[in-house]
Amino acid sequence: SQTIHQWPATLVQPVGSPLSLECTVEGTSNPNLYWYRQAAGRGLQLLFYSVGIGQISSEVPQNLSASRPQDRQFILSSKKLLLSDSGFYLCAWSVEGQGAQPQHFGDGTRLSIL
Amino acid sequence: DAKTTQPNSMESNEEEPVHLPCNHSTISGTDYIHWYRQLPSQGPEYVIHGLTSNVNNRMASLAIAEDRKSSTLILHRATLRDAAVYYCILRPGFSGGGADGLTFGKGTHLIIQP
Repeated sequence: SQTIHQWPATLVQPVGSPLSLECTVEGTSNPNLYWYRQAAGRGLQLLFYSVGIGQISSEVPQNLSASRPQDRQFILSSKKLLLSDSGFYLCAWSVEGQGAQPQHFGDGTRLSIL
Repeated sequence: DAKTTQPNSMESNEEEPVHLPCNHSTISGTDYIHWYRQLPSQGPEYVIHGLTSNVNNRMASLAIAEDRKSSTLILHRATLRDAAVYYCILRPGFSGGGADGLTFGKGTHLIIQP
């Protein structure tokens, strides 16, 4: 069966520090991968999605970036964090096929910026 | 993405059926109807999805109106663990070259009374 792993579960970082969140998927090949952010009391916002190695699409301009160095690995990064980057970050995967395929989410990383 | 409308909150008793409504009057012919739920401090969890016919799985049933302008998620016997925010989301059945992410609204906050 397929599984998705995200780490760390919680993270506290100072303003201006770098960030690296990692997500890996097991049990499937060539998944579509996604990064979402959920600010406190708000809905999920799509940040990045990827349909293959090295292919990244950004939905929201910001100081975050994403990379996909391997088929089942998706990384969210920042060189200098802002206070507004606080939130709940979620990675998700799906089988290619858009509307007919569900997305499956990891347990998320709760990021607090001090 | 076409918009969905859900009640802000609903309350039900444990061990009773729950019917969660969703209106999507602007749905297109190729849009799939997806339902997800999010428990406190967790990532969203896929529940069920369908196109035209009613669907059943181990978690729930999805009843889709004949004109597809509304749908109902049915939890046959609610437990305390079903207390969550339930999201009804429309997904295009094909890629139009745009973002492939899910658009989460505010959902329905389901409260289960013991």
